[in-house]
Amino acid sequence: AQKVTQAQTEISVVEKEDVTLDCVYETRDTTYYLFWYKQPPSGELVFLIRRNSFDEQNEISGRYSWNFQKSTSSFNFTITASQVVDSAVYFCALSEARRGGSEKLVFGKGMKLTVNP
Amino acid sequence: GAGVSQSPSNKVTEKGKDVELRCDPISGHTALYWYRQSLGQGLEFLIYFQGNSAPDKSGLPSDRFSAERTGGSVSTLTIQRTQQEDSAVYLCASSLVVRAGLGYTFGSGTRLTVV
Repeated sequence: AQKVTQAQTEISVVEKEDVTLDCVYETRDTTYYLFWYKQPPSGELVFLIRRNSFDEQNEISGRYSWNFQKSTSSFNFTITASQVVDSAVYFCALSEARRGGSEKLVFGKGMKLTVNP
Repeated sequence: GAGVSQSPSNKVTEKGKDVELRCDPISGHTALYWYRQSLGQGLEFLIYFQGNSAPDKSGLPSDRFSAERTGGSVSTLTIQRTQQEDSAVYLCASSLVVRAGLGYTFGSGTRLTVV
């Protein structure tokens, strides 16, 4: 069975601080996808990144960076120089990638980030 | 349309009544998913459609829940004899094809409150 664990439930930081959101996953699949989604107060889930299980290269996009380590089954997300607009609930998710599968997402419980001015 | 549209955005219903939630996916998206977000359970998968068929219904919590999709487009999630534990935000997502790499687009959800 697949499982995603986000151990932190809530973090509060002051603007410009760096913050790392942890994500640990479990799966028996050899091919899978990992995702991060952002859910601002408006409620809509916003796609941030997808990572294929064969691609362990870290990725940076502006102030966002992701660290994928298969050895520890982790896919951590770092926001550098946080801003108030980063305040949201962040979800890590896992999907199988089998041919003919539904590729439904298994989500972590989410982590609420509050960035204070 | 430009995005995934869900209606109503909010629904309050009495326990025991039936409700219908609607999802209009992005035009041309063949894959459609329903998820439920509740305080106790987080985000859970309910059902997946490929075209009009639903090859994966494994997340539907009971036989009070059903869904259909017509014309490969609009989908309706029906909850019969609603219970208080059905209170949640119901999210719909669509994807051009079943390729997780392309990502899903989520709607803003329907907040269902059963009183």
